[in-house]
Amino acid sequence: DGGITQSPKYLFRKEGQNVTLSCEQNLNHDAMYWYRQDPGQGLRLIYYSQIVNDFQKGDIAEGYSVSREKKESFPLTVTSAQKNPTAFYLCASSTTGGGTGELFFGEGSRLTVL
Amino acid sequence: AQSVTQPDIHITVSEGASLELRCNYSYGATPYLFWYVQSPGQGLQLLLKYFSGDTLVQGIKGFEAEFKRSQSSFNLRKPSVHWSDAAEYFCAVVGTSGTYKYIFGTGTRLKVLA
Repeated sequence: DGGITQSPKYLFRKEGQNVTLSCEQNLNHDAMYWYRQDPGQGLRLIYYSQIVNDFQKGDIAEGYSVSREKKESFPLTVTSAQKNPTAFYLCASSTTGGGTGELFFGEGSRLTVL
Repeated sequence: AQSVTQPDIHITVSEGASLELRCNYSYGATPYLFWYVQSPGQGLQLLLKYFSGDTLVQGIKGFEAEFKRSQSSFNLRKPSVHWSDAAEYFCAVVGTSGTYKYIFGTGTRLKVLA
């Protein structure tokens, strides 16, 4: 079945550590996105990528980094520079760079900083 | 500024009762419109979408939504709610000109009483 796989589902991190969240899709979608979800705030865009080897900052990119070396993969690194990293992270993809299709979401990764 | 407003943070209905979740948007032109549903700790699943044409849109799980241009609204309805409909519901919009920027509302959490 086609879809988006995020791992790990749960992750605990000590302050000062970098962590990487994995996102893999087999939908053959060009565009991929990372969102952060906090209670009562909806979804906020961290980074997005419309094509391999290219990505753009979203609304809350500070303290995060991404790479897009393969079409199917878009990992997110939460760095120690992110001041409040505890959140639920959602990866999504769409057929093009936006505006012509819906987003398909993974199951999410919950990061907790101890 | 572009925005999506879901004025009801929480809604409680009895099983079998009808449901209407409100969504209003502010956008320069008519965007594409979506409703997503999220179960606790899960990703978002598309319920329905409006791109053009008939302003009454049918979706999965018996949901429908009506686009009203004059009111900048896209309210979600279901004639008879089931206990399994308890979840959080998000309205979202994206521009039609190929932008990446999907804008989400803050969500409405639905509780269903047996």
